[in-house]
Amino acid sequence: SYELTQPPSMSVSPGQTARITCSGDALPKRYAFWYQQKAGQAPLLVMYNDSERPSGIPERFSGSSSGTEVTLTISGVQAEDEADYYCQSADSSGTYSVFGGGTKLTVL
Amino acid sequence: QVQLQESGPGLVKPSETLSLTCAVSGGSISSSTWWSWVRQSPGKGLEWIGEFYDSGRTNYNPSLKSRVTISVDKSEKELSLKLKSVTAADTAVYYCATGSGSVVVWGPGTTVTVS
Repeated sequence: SYELTQPPSMSVSPGQTARITCSGDALPKRYAFWYQQKAGQAPLLVMYNDSERPSGIPERFSGSSSGTEVTLTISGVQAEDEADYYCQSADSSGTYSVFGGGTKLTVL
Repeated sequence: QVQLQESGPGLVKPSETLSLTCAVSGGSISSSTWWSWVRQSPGKGLEWIGEFYDSGRTNYNPSLKSRVTISVDKSEKELSLKLKSVTAADTAVYYCATGSGSVVVWGPGTTVTVS
């Protein structure tokens, strides 16, 4: 079955840039979505269609795509950005969706 | 904006069927293109269960496909999930979500324990 691979964890200092990657064979053909999940809360969409930012999401969040990898970039990380981040996309035929394993972002 | 609220039994016995509903309020159910169920086992990541499209098409996680049914009742403004033959591995927080384009709304989730 199709899988999306993310680094399990990442830590950055406030003000630095965090780049969270997600790799999958179908990513050149299928859009990726990124969700932020804070402890005890439901996920929140922070990026859609690889690089589109939903209304209300700070401009420090951006997305990019290159081949079989998509990246969520958080510029000028703030303490409130500490959370788990998940990428989501579909298999090559668009038959089903999958989530990446999640990346725990720690703000030092 | 649309709001979602999951509900159902918090405890299900092994081998029985888990049945959850997701009530839609605060907006038109017709404004959404898709509705889906996602679960999260304790301390684990998100797992996509399946989705129902406005066209009537449904897609399911291949690993759960034989046990899952997702449906939408627009007249009742609710989404439902049925998962047959549950085991302890199905213990999780279950979320419903809906969206169209850049707008995605999630419910707060409901905890289901299989024991």
